[in-house]
Amino acid sequence: GDSVTQKEGLVTLTEGLPVMLNCTYQTIYSNAFLFWYVHYLNESPRLLLKSSTDNKRTEHQGFHATLHKSSSSFHLQKSSAQLSDSALYYCAGGSNAKLTFGKGTKLSVKS
Amino acid sequence: EAAVTQSPRNKVAVTGGKVTLSCNQTNNHNNMYWYRQDTGHGLRLIHYSYGAGSTEKGDIPDGYKASRPSQENFSLILELATPSQTSVYFCASGWSAYAEQFFGPGTRLTVL
Repeated sequence: GDSVTQKEGLVTLTEGLPVMLNCTYQTIYSNAFLFWYVHYLNESPRLLLKSSTDNKRTEHQGFHATLHKSSSSFHLQKSSAQLSDSALYYCAGGSNAKLTFGKGTKLSVKS
Repeated sequence: EAAVTQSPRNKVAVTGGKVTLSCNQTNNHNNMYWYRQDTGHGLRLIHYSYGAGSTEKGDIPDGYKASRPSQENFSLILELATPSQTSVYFCASGWSAYAEQFFGPGTRLTVL
């Protein structure tokens, strides 16, 4: 079956430093779609960005990610962390009828 | 604007009792999903639906039933609630697994 791995449960950064949240996936289908969802405290999870195109950079709200099918990865990056980026980030993969979410990475940005 | 609502927002239930969580969406999306969110496990899919009258098992369906009586409504039913079902439950809707999912505000369920 499909699986998504986010190895880091918690990432703590100082404001202004770069962000990189790791995501790798396994799927039996070749037409995988990968997503990053962000969940701010007391809000609903919402889509941050998505991709299905190999080696194409996708950007939204200062974050970017590139799907690399050769390494089954879809890491989330940002050049400079802000305090307001503190949230729970989920990587998810969809290749059939449903999405499979990773366990999530809590990003904590401190001043 | 996409709109997914859930009721109740908070629920305390007793072990062995029946619990029904309701979800309504005004997006006219075909697909609807029920997830539970637990620290260390992330979002896990319980049941989903392709449209009125359809329900499918997700990754952790044991102990849960689902009902989709209409395009707009999707319920999650715990016939015999257990403390292990204490969690935050999210409903979501979307056109397909390849499209954005819109989440409701969540229901915090505590089973004593």
